[in-house]
Amino acid sequence: EIVLTQSPATLSLSPGERATLSCRASESVSSYLAWYQQKPGQAPRLLIYDASNRATGVPARFSGSGSGTDFTLTISSLEPEDFAVYFCQHRSNWPQFTFGPGTKVDLK
Amino acid sequence: QVQLVQSGAEVKKPGSSVKVSCKTSGSPFSSYVLTWVRQAPGQGLEWMGGTVPMFGPTNYAQKFQGRISITADKSTNTVYMELSSLRSEDTAFYFCAREGTSSSSLEFWGQGTLVTVSS
Repeated sequence: EIVLTQSPATLSLSPGERATLSCRASESVSSYLAWYQQKPGQAPRLLIYDASNRATGVPARFSGSGSGTDFTLTISSLEPEDFAVYFCQHRSNWPQFTFGPGTKVDLK
Repeated sequence: QVQLVQSGAEVKKPGSSVKVSCKTSGSPFSSYVLTWVRQAPGQGLEWMGGTVPMFGPTNYAQKFQGRISITADKSTNTVYMELSSLRSEDTAFYFCAREGTSSSSLEFWGQGTLVTVSS
């Protein structure tokens, strides 16, 4: 079973700063890696699918990169609405989904 | 526009069962994997299981095997998740979700259903 780890657990930044979030898989997942944003009291929102493709309506300041076991979500310049928790996710076999533990981006 | 609308909050006693519904609209009901994910308060996301409503194959996370059932009613475009033998640790938000542009991710989500297990 593939395990996803995320780092850091918490990222304290100010608006306008760049955020770099990491997700590592215990074995290669090719490019089948997605990123979600979740705010309190809301369902997760898909940001990035297949490692680097922005979902519909996602601002260009969000970008994803990586393949194999190491992936990165970058927010180029934090907006106030970007302070949230971010999860990575992989789908394996038939349809089994694995999520990372999450990275909280909070206000410094 | 794809929409997933879930049933309302539930309060259950330990040992009982809960059945949460997820009504889909805006796209062919049968063509996609519909999956269930839960989130305990302040915790991460946990995949529980999924199904392809038209064809019926269903896959459950090993952790829930034996006490989870996911079923679909094609006549109402609704998928159900029933969890039995509830314990306090099952207190969580339960989300249904569906793949979209990519089958490897979950583009569409229900609003979540809070299930509270308490004596």
